[in-house]
Parts: sequence; structure tokens; C-alpha cells
Amino acid sequence: QVQLQESGPGLMKPSETLSLSCTVSGGSISPYYWSWFRQPPGKGLEWVGYISYSGTTNYYPSLKSRVTISVDTSKNHFSLRLSSVTAADTAVYYCARGFLVRGIIRWFDPWGQGALVTVSS
Amino acid sequence: DIQMTQSPSSLSASVGDRVTITCRASQSINSYLNWYQQKPGKAPKLLIYAASSLQSGVPSRFSGSGSGTDFTLTISSLQPEDLATYYCQQSYGTPITFGQGTRLEIK
Repeated sequence: QVQLQESGPGLMKPSETLSLSCTVSGGSISPYYWSWFRQPPGKGLEWVGYISYSGTTNYYPSLKSRVTISVDTSKNHFSLRLSSVTAADTAVYYCARGFLVRGIIRWFDPWGQGALVTVSS
Repeated sequence: DIQMTQSPSSLSASVGDRVTITCRASQSINSYLNWYQQKPGKAPKLLIYAASSLQSGVPSRFSGSGSGTDFTLTISSLQPEDLATYYCQQSYGTPITFGQGTRLEIK
């Protein structure tokens, strides 16, 4: 059974670059798509972006200038980098596996347990 | 962006009740609609995909229906462990978007 585990810094200062990693166990990175989501405290879910096992990416437009998602198939993990963070980026960040139907990502399962990232001076 | 609107935002029901949550899309999304359950302090869990397909391992009291712009999630007989927030999510196009969530409380 595939399991995902996020790891990251926890506490950051404004203007720093957030780096999160998602390790996939119990299955292979290939041939799936992998996604990042976030959830500010007490609020709803927001899609951040996704990457295919071959490196094709798609990002949320308002974050596109600051986001990079990468994949390392040899280590069976994928990563999120978010530059110039502010307090508005404070959230629980989740990674998840995406399922495709006819070449288009359609739903996400399973999800990691989530990693809280707090941005504060 | 495709806007997803859920109703109600919160509801309270008793064990054994039939519960219905609705989700409306700002444009037609065919059947590209998924439902997730998020229990307090936990990650979201996929319940229903493609509007009406039950994810493996999910109890049969959960069901989904709809197409186009209007969708429903139904719990046929509410159980105490169904205390959670429920989200709809469209995958018709990017950016992928979610409803604002429906918080379900047990009376």
C-alpha cells in the first residue's frame, strides 16, 4: 500500500525559500502524477501544483512565479520549493498521488499526513 | 477558474439520519467531480471519484450523483465516525479547485 510522508522546516522567516519533500513508500513514483496542496489554518484546501514521473509540471497560476516542483525517481520522492514566503504561505502542506484518465489528472489518493509550515518573523 | 460552491457550509444531524451535501460548479464539468472527507487534524481522504464511483474501502453508505454543474454527496445512515469536513473538487480543468467545505456535526 502506497504511503506518502512530507518533511520540511516547520518554522520559516519571511522572504526565505520553503523546501518540502514527499517520500513515497510501498510503490513507485512511475508512472504516476504527484501533487502538492496546502491548507491555511482553519481554511479550505488549495491546489499548488503537480508533476509527472517524467517531469511535466502544472502550477496554480497565482503561485506560478514562486513555485517549483521536481521529482527524483531514483530516490522515489518529489519536492516543492516556494520562494519569497510571507505569512500568507503559512499552511499545512500535503502531498498526494494523482490518477489520470485519458491523460488528464482527475483525482488524488492517497495523501500524506501533512506538514505544518509557519512563516513568522 | 472554475468556482465550486458547496451547501450548506455546516450542518448538524443525528446518528441514522440521511445527509445530503450539494456542490455546484460555475460551469459544466461533465462528471469530473470528486468528494473528500477530512476528519479533524487529519489529511483528506478520497470518498467518491468521477461523481459517482465509490473509492475502494469506503463504506457503501456514501454515494455520489450528478453531472454538468450540480452534484450531491449522500450519507444514507449517518454514523458517529462521519464527523468531518467534506470537500468537493473539480478536475475538469486547471487550476484544480475545491469547494469551501461542509462541516458535518453529530447531534
